[in-house]
Amino acid sequence: DAKTTQPPSMDCAEGRAANLPCNHSTISGNEYVYWYRQIHSQGPQYIIHGLKNNETNEMASLIITEDRKSSTLILPHATLRDTAVYYCIVRALLFSGTALIFGKGTTLSVSS
Amino acid sequence: GAVVSQHPSWVICKSGTSVKIECRSLDFQATTMFWYRQFPKQSLMLMATSNEGSKATYEQGVEKDKFLINHASLTLSTLTVTSAHPEDSSFYICSGTGEGHKETQYFGPGTRLLVL
Repeated sequence: DAKTTQPPSMDCAEGRAANLPCNHSTISGNEYVYWYRQIHSQGPQYIIHGLKNNETNEMASLIITEDRKSSTLILPHATLRDTAVYYCIVRALLFSGTALIFGKGTTLSVSS
Repeated sequence: GAVVSQHPSWVICKSGTSVKIECRSLDFQATTMFWYRQFPKQSLMLMATSNEGSKATYEQGVEKDKFLINHASLTLSTLTVTSAHPEDSSFYICSGTGEGHKETQYFGPGTRLLVL
């Protein structure tokens, strides 16, 4: 699976949009970009995933560059409850029974 | 999303005893389950992968005789830490994927183990 690079930490004011970047310059054509987050002392929570088109759900939006070498997770109106470690993971979609491998992620701190 | 539960949520045990952690997929059939371990201020580390009815595949450095994994049904996997020692104290997290949920892994809430 392709390696990802994320900033170790970011701050965001409550109510503002949080834009979390991820670089995955070695991504392959069949690899998807997944985003998970882990709130302190909890299991990871699935947020969103995509291949090349931008995706949006009730939690967030995922913007993938045209060359697919980077992406941005957008939390449109961050709240204090969005404080967590956010993980960007690249993996082939086809079900092969392989696990998600977590890097160090970005610690997002949302403050009032 | 799919729901995965773990029991217990936390456990304290004496050194040398064995501890069993249960992981259940509540609303989907998990053909594959994964077990992770997380030490303080570190990321999740994959311990093993188990397919229903088959022996688990362990990651390098994980002792299969110490961390016994059973995946006897499509909704239940168990991790038994045998002869636990203080260095086994950690946050253990399971996840599952399967029919209707092949694109993503869904994670349990985790079990915190403290070995005294």
